[in-house]
Amino acid sequence: DIQMTQSPSSVSASVGDRVTITCRASQDISSWLAWYQQKPGKAPKLLIYAESSLQSGVPSRFSGSGSGTDFTLTISSLQPEDFATYYCQQANSFPITFGQGTRLEIK
Amino acid sequence: EVQLVESGGGLVQPGGSLRLSCAASGFTFSNFEMHWVRQVPGKGLEWVSTIDTIGDPYSPGSVKGRFTISRENAKNSLYLQMNNLRVGDTAVYYCARGMSGSYYYYMDVWGKGTTVTVSS
Repeated sequence: DIQMTQSPSSVSASVGDRVTITCRASQDISSWLAWYQQKPGKAPKLLIYAESSLQSGVPSRFSGSGSGTDFTLTISSLQPEDFATYYCQQANSFPITFGQGTRLEIK
Repeated sequence: EVQLVESGGGLVQPGGSLRLSCAASGFTFSNFEMHWVRQVPGKGLEWVSTIDTIGDPYSPGSVKGRFTISRENAKNSLYLQMNNLRVGDTAVYYCARGMSGSYYYYMDVWGKGTTVTVSS
């Protein structure tokens, strides 16, 4: 199974800050990676797929990069509604696996 | 409006069974792969099962032999039959749609989830 490891596990930031979250795969997954946002009590929401493709309706302040085993999610200028937990997911092969999550908190 | 609505969750004793349903609307259900994903309260996301458009199922070792995913395209419905339930299966279970084409591992539409509690 492909293990997905996110860092940091939690991060505190302020509105307007630039934030980067990292996801590392235990083996090469090319660009088969997605990022999801989840707010408390809600279902996850797809933000980015295929490493850098922005899902329809997602603000352009979200971007993804990387390939192979190392990937990043960047939020260019944090907005109040961005404080949530973020998960990466590999889409290279079954079993589908997710990172453990990164909680983005208000400083 | 594209929508997924799960139902069938509840309280069940260890060793018991439960069948979850997911009603899809607003899209051509038969054209999409479908997934079940679960989340223990306060924990991360765990993939449970996938069924492709021709009905072939995929699942991880943790549930293989106990959980069975199925679909009924005529009813726009997805199911998860869960047998021999364990305390560790307690979670919110989400139904999710796979993106079209070769991107079907990505989940672009999610339901609100249904809660399964396994306890004596």
